[in-house]
Amino acid sequence: SQELEQSPQSLIVQEGKNLTINCTSSKTLYGLYWYKQKYGEGLIFLMMLQKGGEEKSHEKITAKLDEKKQQSSLHITASQPSHAGIYLCGADIGDKIIFGKGTRLHILP
Amino acid sequence: DAGVIQSPRHEVTEMGQEVTLRCKPISGHNSLFWYRQTMMRGLELLIYFNNNVPIDDSGMPEDRFSAKMPNASFSTLKIQPSEPRDSAVYFCASRGASTDTQYFGPGTRLTVL
Repeated sequence: SQELEQSPQSLIVQEGKNLTINCTSSKTLYGLYWYKQKYGEGLIFLMMLQKGGEEKSHEKITAKLDEKKQQSSLHITASQPSHAGIYLCGADIGDKIIFGKGTRLHILP
Repeated sequence: DAGVIQSPRHEVTEMGQEVTLRCKPISGHNSLFWYRQTMMRGLELLIYFNNNVPIDDSGMPEDRFSAKMPNASFSTLKIQPSEPRDSAVYFCASRGASTDTQYFGPGTRLTVL
C-alpha cells in the first residue's frame, strides 16, 4: 500500500554492523507493528508501539515511534546472521492493519 | 499452544480448478484475518472476521474469492475458478480480544499453472 512506505527495500550488511529500517505512514498511526519473516515462512511478531515517542527493545532490536506518530524506525545493533530475513511494518489505521512491502535484510559473514 | 494452523502448506493446481485453503486460529482468539503476499504487492488484507462474522471483505479481489468461518475454530478461503495470477502465499492470522497483536500462520503457497 502506498499509505505505508518502508525503506530501504533491501539491505546488505556486514555481520557486526548496525542498521536501521524506516517505516513512514501518510496518516496518523493508532499503532505500529514490526514483524520479521524468514524466507518461505510466516510472520513473527517483534513488537508493537502505540504512543508517540515510545521506544521498545527486544534483544538487539530497538524500535521507536516518532512524536507525530507517522514514522517508525527499527534499529539492529551488532547484526548477526540470525537477523537475516524480511522485516515488515504494519500500521493500525483504525479498523485494520496495513503492511509495508518489507525490507529484505541480508547479513554477510 | 500450537499457534495458527494452515493447510495445505503447498498447493499446485491447474487454471480453472477450485482451491480451498484452511485455517485454524489460536484457541480463544475471536478475530481471524486472511492475507495474500506477493512480491509485487506485498502483504494485502483480503478479509477479516470478528466473532465468526465477516467485518471487512473490501480486499477480496473479485467474486472468484470467498471466505467462510462456520465456527470459532475454523475458516476457509476458496478460489473458484483459480487463475495463474492468484499464485501467492496466503496467510491466516488470529487475534484475541485482549490484545492488538495478530499472530500469523505459516502460510499456504499456492501455484496456479
